[in-house]
Amino acid sequence: QSALTQPASVSGSPGQSITISCSGTSTNVGAYNSVSWYQQHPGEAPKLIIYDVNNRPSGVSNRFSGSKSDNTASLTISGVQAEDEADYYCSSYSRNSREVFGGGTKLTVL
Amino acid sequence: QVQLVQSGAEVKKPGASVKVSCKASGYIFTGYYFHWVRQAPGQGLEWMGWINPSSGGTHYAQKFQGWVTLTRDTSIGTAYMELNRLKSDDTAIYYCARDQGVIGQPKFYFDSWGQGTLVTVSS
Repeated sequence: QSALTQPASVSGSPGQSITISCSGTSTNVGAYNSVSWYQQHPGEAPKLIIYDVNNRPSGVSNRFSGSKSDNTASLTISGVQAEDEADYYCSSYSRNSREVFGGGTKLTVL
Repeated sequence: QVQLVQSGAEVKKPGASVKVSCKASGYIFTGYYFHWVRQAPGQGLEWMGWINPSSGGTHYAQKFQGWVTLTRDTSIGTAYMELNRLKSDDTAIYYCARDQGVIGQPKFYFDSWGQGTLVTVSS
């Protein structure tokens, strides 16, 4: 069982916006602005798409954005595209465990 | 260009040990922390621990303490992860990943990843 809770799956049609939640506790998500998000296509290594809650690495589309409220972080993909179909993982620095991940969310583009 | 290249797939019997390597290039090896993350088949990501390649200092997730050893060889810019007393549920892809923060200021997010090494534990 993962320390951070994500929905197992979300779906959306091309052009729609989708949001993936990541629920933690006051010892991880709620305590630090060190939430990151990774995108993983089948057979590939994860790729960093959001860091420090709402920052994008160079080269990542501005359709990806992050936010946080209390113990829950969120990833929003605006104008979802077929190429966005992948698994998404949140992670956070944790007072107890240093680094924890969510269980992952499979995004299906309809 | 930052690149992390891992060693090839391994098949091990229960009770054996495995050592996975991660060779870094394109940046100063001793300038950034290395983390190790594993992913069981069809499962999520699990953080195992980190190593400071400059000092050799390590920190392990509680689950892996006494069971995983992280080392590095600065002369060849390579980090290693050794897992002992393998069990069937250690079958997973093992990734090395570079911390985006510099030594002394870790960020705990990973901007570069190795391609992964599949370790299969089977009798």
